[in-house]
Amino acid sequence: AQSVTQLDSQVPVFEEAPVELRCNYSSSVSVYLFWYVQYPNQGLQLLLKYLSGSTLVESINGFEAEFNKSQTSFHLRKPSVHISDTAEYFCAVVTGGGNKLTFGTGTQLKVEL
Amino acid sequence: EAGVAQSPRYKIIEKRQSVAFWCNPISGHATLYWYQQILGQGPKLLIQFQNNGVVDDSQLPKDRFSAERLKGVDSTLKIQPAKLEDSAVYLCASSPGTGAGYEQYFGPGTRLTVT
Repeated sequence: AQSVTQLDSQVPVFEEAPVELRCNYSSSVSVYLFWYVQYPNQGLQLLLKYLSGSTLVESINGFEAEFNKSQTSFHLRKPSVHISDTAEYFCAVVTGGGNKLTFGTGTQLKVEL
Repeated sequence: EAGVAQSPRYKIIEKRQSVAFWCNPISGHATLYWYQQILGQGPKLLIQFQNNGVVDDSQLPKDRFSAERLKGVDSTLKIQPAKLEDSAVYLCASSPGTGAGYEQYFGPGTRLTVT
């Protein structure tokens, strides 16, 4: 069975600083990888996904993630964060032919002035 | 386009009582999911419907949880009787299909507190 590990439960960072949220997965078969974001008092929203092709994927608000098969990682990065990026970020994986999501435990990103 | 609707948003009950949650997916979405998110954990899939048929309910505690999706649109999730460990946010999501390329759209969730 697949699993997802997000080692950092909380990441505090100052505004305009770079950030990396780590995600590692375990699966012996091909995977599809996702990052979801949950803003305070809102539902989960898809931030970006890797299905195939280029291993570097980007979101519309400046986040990017790179699929690294050898390290079984899909870390999320942003070169300069904004206060509005404060939220909880979940990494998730799908294996096989369906779309059953297995989520990590989440990383709370707190951006401070 | 309206998003996934859920009600109620909050519910407090005593243990051994029953409770029901309602979900209205995005119009035209054939696939509907119920997730349980316990505080400090990621969402866990409870049940997945394709139209009004069950695709996966392997993690649904069937002795106390039940779900239905009559007519392949709205869905209800019921817990009877509730236990303290059922305190969680229950998320409903929908997607146009079942392939990995189909995005799942999540509702705001129902926060259940069992006392």
